[in-house]
Amino acid sequence: LAKTTQPISMDSYEGQEVNITCSHNNIATNDYITWYQQFPSQGPRFIIQGYKTKVTNEVASLFIPADRKSSTLSLPRVSLSDTAVYYCLVGDNMAAGNKLTFGGGTRVLVKP
Amino acid sequence: GAVVSQHPSRVICKSGTSVKIECRSLDFQATTMFWYRQFPKKSLMLMATSNEGSKATYEQGVEKDKFLINHASLTLSTLTVTSAHPEDSSFYICSARGLAGGPGEFFGPGTRLTVL
Repeated sequence: LAKTTQPISMDSYEGQEVNITCSHNNIATNDYITWYQQFPSQGPRFIIQGYKTKVTNEVASLFIPADRKSSTLSLPRVSLSDTAVYYCLVGDNMAAGNKLTFGGGTRVLVKP
Repeated sequence: GAVVSQHPSRVICKSGTSVKIECRSLDFQATTMFWYRQFPKKSLMLMATSNEGSKATYEQGVEKDKFLINHASLTLSTLTVTSAHPEDSSFYICSARGLAGGPGEFFGPGTRLTVL
């Protein structure tokens, strides 16, 4: 299972862009990169998933360099409600039975 | 997106009793369900992998006789904490996988277990 490393915490202000980088040096060929958001006392919520290059949806962008050894989640114009823990997971989550391993996550605090 | 529910959302029980937590995939069939536990301000720890119609696979250090998992159908998995003790108090979260073409794994809202 590919191990991930991300910053423990990040502070930001409302309206700013937040970029969280995750390192995954031993990512395997079949592995996807998936980011989840978790609020206190709630289950993780899917944000975005990618395999290579750039993926964008209505809430975030995911940048993945060619070597795929890292990825950056970009949250544009954050608001107070974006305060949460963000987890980067790497694995082949399309295959039945393959488990994902949660790292420590990044605790993002958005200040007014 | 796919919806996963858990019931109950919160349970308080006395030490020595057993507690059952249900995890349901509401709009898709889950080939695999996973059970996690999470302590305050900590990350999720995988407890076991549950496949429909077969025995669950437990992670190292998780007692299979303590945490009974049943995956009777493609939409339901249950976790029973047997003879619960205060140290079993935690946030239990399930996830389900099986929706082809999507991100692959969807999480339930979690169940807060408090053992007195």
